[in-house]
Amino acid sequence: EDQVTQSPEALRLQEGESSSLNCSYTVSGLRGLFWYRQDPGKGPEFLFTLYSAGEEKEKERLKATLTKKESFLHITAPKPEDSATYLCAVQNLKTSYDKVIFGPGTSLSVIP
Amino acid sequence: NAGVTQTPKFRILKIGQSMTLQCTQDMNHNYMYWYRQDPGMGLKLIYYSVGAGITDKGEVPNGYNVSRSTTEDFPLRLELAAPSQTSVYFCASRKVGGDTQYFGPGTRLTVL
Repeated sequence: EDQVTQSPEALRLQEGESSSLNCSYTVSGLRGLFWYRQDPGKGPEFLFTLYSAGEEKEKERLKATLTKKESFLHITAPKPEDSATYLCAVQNLKTSYDKVIFGPGTSLSVIP
Repeated sequence: NAGVTQTPKFRILKIGQSMTLQCTQDMNHNYMYWYRQDPGMGLKLIYYSVGAGITDKGEVPNGYNVSRSTTEDFPLRLELAAPSQTSVYFCASRKVGGDTQYFGPGTRLTVL
């Protein structure tokens, strides 16, 4: 069964303190892995899609990487506006294209 | 473009009542989705549609119904509300050939 877990559940960082969020997945064949950001009271907002092990993508202070079993979202010198819940999701190559499995998320708080 | 819009933003229902959650997108996307999000859990797919007149079940369809008569609209119907349906509901859409799902702002539903 396809599964996505994320750690830690919650993370508090001082402004400027770099760290990483983990997304571990189990899927019989990976079509794609997605990262979304979700602010309180809002819908998820797309950040990245990764398709194959070794792939990396960057956007401002965020960098996402992918291995065969997990993905990391690295946050470099975070600012308070980076505070949000970060969701990871996977799409199985062997099932319906439209079924995306989401992890529970990591809640990030960046303290000034 | 307004993107994906959802109404209402909040609703309280009594057990056994029915209601329709509205979702509209103005991006001419063929694919549309309904998810529910419970605390500490990932987004769970309820139903999805690949185009007008075509719908299919997701992971947790019991207690819900959908229809898709136009490209723009994808309403979600709850016929006999139960406390287990207390959740935040998100609608999303995606264009053909794209990976990114665009989410609406959500509807917070409480069933008492």
